[in-house]
Amino acid sequence: DTEVTQTPKHLVMGMTNKKSLKCEQHMGHRAMYWYKQKAKKPPELMFVYSYEKLSINESVPSRFSPECPNSSLLNLHLHALQPEDSALYLCASSLSGTGAWTEAFFGQGTRLTVV
Amino acid sequence: AQKVTQAQTEISVVEKEDVTLDCVYETRDTTYYLFWYKQPPSGELVFLIRRNSFDEQNEISGRYSWNFQKSTSSFNFTITASQVVDSAVYFCALSEGGDRSGGSNYKLTFGKGTLLTVNP
Repeated sequence: DTEVTQTPKHLVMGMTNKKSLKCEQHMGHRAMYWYKQKAKKPPELMFVYSYEKLSINESVPSRFSPECPNSSLLNLHLHALQPEDSALYLCASSLSGTGAWTEAFFGQGTRLTVV
Repeated sequence: AQKVTQAQTEISVVEKEDVTLDCVYETRDTTYYLFWYKQPPSGELVFLIRRNSFDEQNEISGRYSWNFQKSTSSFNFTITASQVVDSAVYFCALSEGGDRSGGSNYKLTFGKGTLLTVNP
């Protein structure tokens, strides 16, 4: 099973709403990632969790708040977003880092629209 | 700093044609890893191949083949006898060796992607 599952697949939210994106994997991977992808652009790294601890925060605004409740789950809490935050949000996981050990496996993403 | 360049923004071919997607990379590390991912319209990034910097063997998997040349810092991807289902955006990506405990090897640097359209 090489599946990363993301919910919801689509989300429309107002600028004052609070919502959460969820990501789940059962491959025993210890690194999990959030990427943001705007239309016709490559994915941009937002956060990395390694062994359930935040390892990398790519200077992401605080209106995005990641959480890793356990080794299989990764959440992204959203609050007071702006319309320019509308994008495809991709979750990924890898055994450890993306290198000698393994590649990253990606979910199908959540298409977020902020109105 | 690492960089990946995919000079071809869009390619359009007719079914059964062969097509090569170019990827040129820059890195100062001697240990690094190269990847190709496919992104169909559904959005999911599908892993295709990983290659480390010490293994310059070319690889073939069905209709897909990859040509890794360190001398030119290139990692090109060829689809033989293309099919409509191959239509997607293809990303080349680079990960440096880095610190196993949580450094740069967690970062994938993506090229800008090549949109491949295969017409029937």
